[in-house]
Amino acid sequence: DAGVIQSPRHEVTEMGQEVTLRCKPISGHNSLFWYRQTMMRGLELLIYFNNNVPIDDSGMPEDRFSAKMPNASFSTLKIQPSEPRDSAVYFCASSFGQNNEQFFGPGTRLTVL
Amino acid sequence: GENVEQHPSTLSVQEGDSAVIKCTYSDSASNYFPWYKQELGKRPQLIIDIRSNVGEKKDQRIAVTLNKTAKHFSLHITETQPEDSAVYFCAALSYDKVIFGPGTSLSVIP
Repeated sequence: DAGVIQSPRHEVTEMGQEVTLRCKPISGHNSLFWYRQTMMRGLELLIYFNNNVPIDDSGMPEDRFSAKMPNASFSTLKIQPSEPRDSAVYFCASSFGQNNEQFFGPGTRLTVL
Repeated sequence: GENVEQHPSTLSVQEGDSAVIKCTYSDSASNYFPWYKQELGKRPQLIIDIRSNVGEKKDQRIAVTLNKTAKHFSLHITETQPEDSAVYFCAALSYDKVIFGPGTSLSVIP
């Protein structure tokens, strides 16, 4: 298995633009997590899905952020409109159940100018 | 909700010495405690985990201890090597959600 796949790996955009981050979890995993990592705030859980259903989105910072998981092999995290304070590394992770090892993707480094 | 604290935030040790990182959690119902290592510019990766039915687990130079009564758990790295230099995150599972600590930046000085 190729592991968790994320795209793009790097994204540079201007304030106000829409940003879409993509994630393909490991086949067979039924839990998917989106994290944001910054120096100031560390590793923050934004939202997680279980069997394609959003379970907890309390970490989503505001309405500009939305996430979907239309099927077991694909998820998106969208920011619209983007702001400079959204600049961070966004990780997607997957696992088989919440209480097992999470496998992280390589991350997307987002820069909003 | 669950709160996970981690100390110290930075740690420097001489190569060959031991390193200890301590974490506390608030939810007494938490029953799964993973540790992740993140090298500079890389993704976090699980290095060891422990469940609440055991008090200690060891894997080569790495060990984790759990004290459920006191609600704290620790990571022990013996015979540290330069490649152990990284940020280490503890975490606790609460209400089906894994909560990460703020991380410890470990530097192993050759």
